[in-house]
This record gives sequence, C-alpha cells and structure tokens, in this order.
Amino acid sequence: AQTVTQSQPEMSVQEAETVTLSCTYDTSESNYYLFWYKQPPSRQMILVIRQEAYKQQNATENRFSVNFQKAAKSFSLKISDSQLGDTAMYFCAFCWAYNTDKLIFGTGTRLQVFP
Amino acid sequence: DVKVTQSSRYLVKRTGEKVFLECVQDMDHENMFWYRQDPGLGLRLIYFSYDVKMKEKGDIPEGYSVSREKKERFSLILESASTNQTSMYLCASSPRLNTEAFFGQGTRLTVV
Repeated sequence: AQTVTQSQPEMSVQEAETVTLSCTYDTSESNYYLFWYKQPPSRQMILVIRQEAYKQQNATENRFSVNFQKAAKSFSLKISDSQLGDTAMYFCAFCWAYNTDKLIFGTGTRLQVFP
Repeated sequence: DVKVTQSSRYLVKRTGEKVFLECVQDMDHENMFWYRQDPGLGLRLIYFSYDVKMKEKGDIPEGYSVSREKKERFSLILESASTNQTSMYLCASSPRLNTEAFFGQGTRLTVV
C-alpha cells in the first residue's frame, strides 16, 4: 500500500524568508503523481504544485518549487520569499498515474508566516 | 470557474440519526472522493467513485456508505451517526487520470 509521511507537524518562517516542507512516500510503482496542496484558514483546499514521477526536472510555480528525489522517495516543497498569505496547512499527496485510483494524503504541516 | 459544492458548511446531528452529506461538481469529472479530516491524522479517504454507480472503499469506510446516481453528484451517508464521526468532511473531484483534484469548502459535522 502507498503511504505518505510528513514529519513536520508545524513550522514557522519570517516574511520574505525561505522555508522547506518535507514529504516522503512509499510505493512500488514507477509511474505516479505527487502533489502539494494548501489549505488556508478559510478551509478551501487548493493545488500548489504537481510533479510527474517520470519527469526528472523539478516542478516550479512562481515562488513554489519542489525537490523531487525519486530514488529516495522524497518530495519537499520550497517556498521562497514567504508571504503572510502562505500561512496554511500544507498536505503532500500521491496517486498512481495512467490509472484511476485513490489520492493518498499525508498528515499535513501547519505553516505560520510571521511579519 | 470550476466548482465543487458541499451542501452544508456546518451540521449538528444527534446520535443515531441518518445523515446525508451532498457534493456536486460542475466539471464533468469522472472521479469523486470523500475524505475525513481530523487534527494530526490528515485527510483519510472514506470512499471514492470513478464512474456513475461505481464505488470503491477507501481506508476508513466503516460506518459510511455512498451513492452516485448521477455523474455530478456524490453523496456520503452516515447510516446511524455516532459521536466518533464528529469531524470535518471534504469532498473532491478529479478527471479520470487524477491530474488535479478540486475540493469543496468542507462540512464540519458535530454529532451530539
């Protein structure tokens, strides 16, 4: 069974600084997607970034980038130039590619950005 | 604008009641999911559906059932609500290959 582990329940960072959230996963599959989702205090979950396992290049979306280490089964999220609006719960998630299957989430990391 | 809508943001029900949580999506997505979110436990999958009338158990299906009679609607049913089902419930939908899931705003259910 696939599992997703986020070992940092809470993190904090000062505005404009950089922070990295960790995620590891376990799977025997070779084709899969990895995601980072953000859940602000208003509760609506939104997609931050997606990585396809077959792509070696790390995904980036503006201030958000990932460090995808397939052999180590590690998928960390780096937030650069942190903003107050980045305060949220962040969830790492996994699903198989090319197949319809369940989307598995980690336990989440609560990020607080301080002024 | 894509949308997943859950029928209620807050619900209070009594122990033993039958509870229906409704979710509607307007994106013609094949997949729909029901998750339960509890502090420290993340999102745990209750059930998912990959087509009309099709359903698969997730990690914690006990005490729940689902219904998907139409593509756009996925209902979660608590046959006999219990206090340990007090939680936040999130509905999501995604296209068939799960390239991105879209979430509803969540329903906070309290069972007293």
